[in-house]
This record gives sequence, C-alpha cells and structure tokens, in this order.
Amino acid sequence: DGGITQSPKYLFRKEGQNVTLSCEQNLNHDAMYWYRQDPGQGLRLIYYSQIVNDFQKGDIAEGYSVSREKKESFPLTVTSAQKNPTAFYLCASSMPTWRSLGGTDTQYFGPGTRLTVL
Amino acid sequence: AQSVTQPDIHITVSEGASLELRCNYSYGATPYLFWYVQSPGQGLQLLLKYFSGDTLVQGIKGFEAEFKRSQSSFNLRKPSVHWSDAAEYFCAVGAGDSGNTPLVFGKGTRLSVIA
Repeated sequence: DGGITQSPKYLFRKEGQNVTLSCEQNLNHDAMYWYRQDPGQGLRLIYYSQIVNDFQKGDIAEGYSVSREKKESFPLTVTSAQKNPTAFYLCASSMPTWRSLGGTDTQYFGPGTRLTVL
Repeated sequence: AQSVTQPDIHITVSEGASLELRCNYSYGATPYLFWYVQSPGQGLQLLLKYFSGDTLVQGIKGFEAEFKRSQSSFNLRKPSVHWSDAAEYFCAVGAGDSGNTPLVFGKGTRLSVIA
C-alpha cells in the first residue's frame, strides 16, 4: 500500500520541551510539506522540501525546524520557541508534472498528528 | 502570489438537497485548482482537480466543479447530498509552472447535513 504515514496520532508536550513529529511516504514523491491547522484558519504552510537535503520556510516557520536526509522522510520538530504549538499538524507530498501521470503537483496528505501542550 | 477565498464558513443543507460550495481564487496565470475534503480528526482527501481542458471536472463521491476564468471561481457542486458528506471542504490553488510549489488553501467551508 502506497501512502503517507504520520506518527504519533496524538502527542502531548510539556512547556519548554522540543518534540518531533514523524512523516514518512512510500509514494516516491520528491516534495514534502508540513502544514499547521487551527480551527477557522485553514492550512498554513510551515516548511516544504522539493528535494533531499533542501527545504524552504513557509509562512509560519518560526519555532519549527525540519530535516530532509531521505526522500521518504520529512520530520518536523516543534521547539520550545514556538509560543502556541497546540494544533493539528498535517504532512503532504507531491510529484512534479513532468514525472506524474495525469496529475501535477497534486498533494496527498497523511492522517495528521494532534499536538497538545500541557 | 496566489490566494483563495471561500466566502461561506458554514453551510447547512438537507439530505437529498443540492449543494454548491463557493471558491474564488487570485492568480495571474492559469491556475491549478483543487478541492479537498476533511472529516473530523483526519487528513485531507482529494475530491477533484483542474489543470486544463474541460472546465467542468468530475470527482469522487459524485462531486463536480466548474472552472470559470471570467469569474475567477471554482465552485464545487453535488446534485444530492448524503449525510456522509458532512465534513470540511477546502479549495486550493497552485502555480504549477515551476513544479512542486506549495498550494495555497482557503480557510474551508464546514458542511452540515440535516435529515
């Protein structure tokens, strides 16, 4: 089965702690993305990576960090500098037009991780 | 830069009634347009997408959407709503010309279905 997995599904963090959210895909997609979702806010882009060992900040990157050492994996670390980390986090991946069949830049999403700060 | 507006935050329809969810986008070139659906606590599932060609696109679960360039709109429709359609719906726009650029999402429309 091809797809995107995120773990854990629920995560609790104490104030001042760093936590890492996992995102893995076996779709052979080049690009991966992290979004944050808050009620009534839609999806806001945190970071994205178009290729291994490269990534770009999104609209709300402050307080977050990422790495892209492998094509299949794009972990997100929520640092203690993130003032309001309680949210639903979604990971996605996509393949560019010239390599896809009938689709282009279509993003496929994982099931999400709900992070709660205690 | 692209932007998406979904004017309706929450819509309630009766089961069996027709549905139209509005989406307006802003983008200078030909956009790539998407509709996704999200059930509570879940990820987003792709309903349909428009890249080029026929402006009326068919998706999964009986949904369709029509691209109207003159109105900068990409409204989602379904002729007869089922209770299982209750969810949040997101419209998104992508540039596409440079490949693998992030999509820009609207803030979503929550659909409630009543008996």
